[in-house]
Amino acid sequence: GAGVSQTPSNKVTEKGKYVELRCDPISGHTALYWYRQSLGQGPEFLIYFQGTGAADDSGLPNDRFFAVRPEGSVSTLKIQRTERGDSAVYLCASSLAGTGPYEQFFGPGTRLTVL
Amino acid sequence: DAKTTQPTSMDCAEGRAANLPCNHSTISGNEYVYWYRQIHSQGPQYIIHGLKNNETNEMASLIITEDRKSSTLILPHATLRDTAVYYCIVRVVSGGSNYKLTFGKGTLLTVNP
Repeated sequence: GAGVSQTPSNKVTEKGKYVELRCDPISGHTALYWYRQSLGQGPEFLIYFQGTGAADDSGLPNDRFFAVRPEGSVSTLKIQRTERGDSAVYLCASSLAGTGPYEQFFGPGTRLTVL
Repeated sequence: DAKTTQPTSMDCAEGRAANLPCNHSTISGNEYVYWYRQIHSQGPQYIIHGLKNNETNEMASLIITEDRKSSTLILPHATLRDTAVYYCIVRVVSGGSNYKLTFGKGTLLTVNP
């Protein structure tokens, strides 16, 4: 079946602009996660959704970052007033549920470059 | 989650077994050991996980020491396509923040022809 998909695959924007990154999880997965990966580092947790609600957004770096999942499926990560330090690969993952030893399936990521 | 320590890089000859070590000396009794890998320009891919017993699946084997303070991921017959960064992660079984994967820098495994 289809895996996790993310669009766009690459996004180049200018400092100060607003961007939206989209994630389509695997059908039937109630848990959805966003991670951010800087060059040479492992992915870092940003936010976890169980259904429509953000169960843990403790990894969001500041209030310029916001994510939604209005119908419990597709999620959008929104970044306002982008800064050069926001440049990274943004990864989305989904799993059957958040609690329990369920494996997380990752998408290919969106590479964001802020000029 | 417990901290893990992995070598920065390793090399392996194609067709040979690749043995990737991981130290997790502060692991708790309610924490699993997970392995993921990330091939260049792709998202991480789940490989295997275990709690106490050794585990094997179609991709790899996981050997966990009796005291659970370290583990080894074994790729029995490495191919060039196994070249990737391999992450060892410990994760609570349930409750708390068990949904959260905490990645370190991993081990870059290079399989050479």
